[in-house]
Amino acid sequence: NAGVTQTPKFQVLKTGQSMTLQCAQDMNHEYMSWYRQDPGMGLRLIHYSVGAGITDQGEVPNGYNVSRSTTEDFPLRLLSAAPSQTSVYFCASSYSFRGDQPQHFGDGTRLSIL
Amino acid sequence: TQLLEQSPQFLSIQEGENLTVYCNSSSVFSSLQWYRQEPGEGPVLLVTVVTGGEVKKLKRLTFQFGDARKDSSLHITAAQPGDTGLYLCAGSSNAGNMLTFGGGTRLMVKP
Repeated sequence: NAGVTQTPKFQVLKTGQSMTLQCAQDMNHEYMSWYRQDPGMGLRLIHYSVGAGITDQGEVPNGYNVSRSTTEDFPLRLLSAAPSQTSVYFCASSYSFRGDQPQHFGDGTRLSIL
Repeated sequence: TQLLEQSPQFLSIQEGENLTVYCNSSSVFSSLQWYRQEPGEGPVLLVTVVTGGEVKKLKRLTFQFGDARKDSSLHITAAQPGDTGLYLCAGSSNAGNMLTFGGGTRLMVKP
């Protein structure tokens, strides 16, 4: 059982480049989300989706786009990479959004912007 | 924006010692979760608490949700090197669909 799969695991970009971080889950979860993790700041929510075709902004959405065309996939797009977007990115999923539902996380994508 | 503050930020102890880490907020949460994260991996859920004053035990770990549902604590008895990791608390409210994470407590248990 794969759970939540994130690709790539590592990526180095130059300022101004664009890229897509992939996230796929095989648990038929409705709720999916993207976080970034920076030292001492825990996890901050970028975007989330409560189901296919529905997305919404989180705490730090600027510079990122998302779409949810299927239940399984929730890609995160960086439109024009900036050094401030250097971070570790985590995708998570859960059966639904209720605060008592466990969030299942991928192993992260480590992104460096030069 | 709801904020969760965790303390201490860093903790280094010897194997066998006891410790408590804290998660505090000025906001009320409908539920609160604790996760542990190891290097190179995503966070993994340890426990969820939903009732004010609730206490849950997971082997040597004891979790408590404050009576007013604004704070929580994690107590580890007789810490072991395997307990080393980043401990994160995360809260949700009745409004919205977002989980708010604290900054984490990085624990190192030395053999």
